Amino acid sequence: EVQLVVSGGDLVQPGGSLRLTCAASGFIERNYYMSWVRQAPGEGLEWVSVTYIGGTTSYAESVKGRFTIFRDDSKNTLHLQMKGLRADDTAVYYCARAPYSANYRGVIDLWGQGTLVTVSS
Amino acid sequence: DIQMTQSPSSLSASVGDRVTITCRASPDITNYLAWFQQKPGKLPRLLIYSASTLQSGVPSRFSGSGSGTDFTLTISSLQPEDVATYYCQRYNSVPFTFGPGTKVDIK
Repeated sequence: EVQLVVSGGDLVQPGGSLRLTCAASGFIERNYYMSWVRQAPGEGLEWVSVTYIGGTTSYAESVKGRFTIFRDDSKNTLHLQMKGLRADDTAVYYCARAPYSANYRGVIDLWGQGTLVTVSS
Repeated sequence: DIQMTQSPSSLSASVGDRVTITCRASPDITNYLAWFQQKPGKLPRLLIYSASTLQSGVPSRFSGSGSGTDFTLTISSLQPEDVATYYCQRYNSVPFTFGPGTKVDIK
């Protein structure tokens, strides 16, 4: 079955660190753009980060310098390393797959179930 | 400054009504525009990509149009299962910003 399983969410104190994991199955994740998207409680979707095929990465301004996206191709997984966490980072974090083809050109077509990160003292 | 706006922020319509949601992008994104549906407590679902291409498995009552900066999502005949929040997203270049969402309810 083609799916993304997200884990690693937790309650963390302000200034703390956390690593999220997204395990891909049914497809080879390194052949796709992979993104992290978050959603604060009761709020809309916010794009966080992307890693392109080949490893180039980009980040939203709100997380630049604090978050790092990276792949572990040997385990077909995607990670988001978060440090310097703030209260406004509290959200459900989704990982998402985006095929790059003549048709899809990097649009998200598959979402993982999300994991809750709560930043609070 | 990169912006994605949507209007209205919410709407209430009757079953069978035609519903239109507008998304405005700044700057121009040609047709790199997607529409997602998110039902309460559920994952977002891709409805439309490339501004007007219906994703496989999506009912034909959903359609998208537009290019450049102005886009629309239309539900031709609103159904009870369409109650959700709808988001547009640009994906031509980073940041892959989402619109703020439009919440659709049944009157």
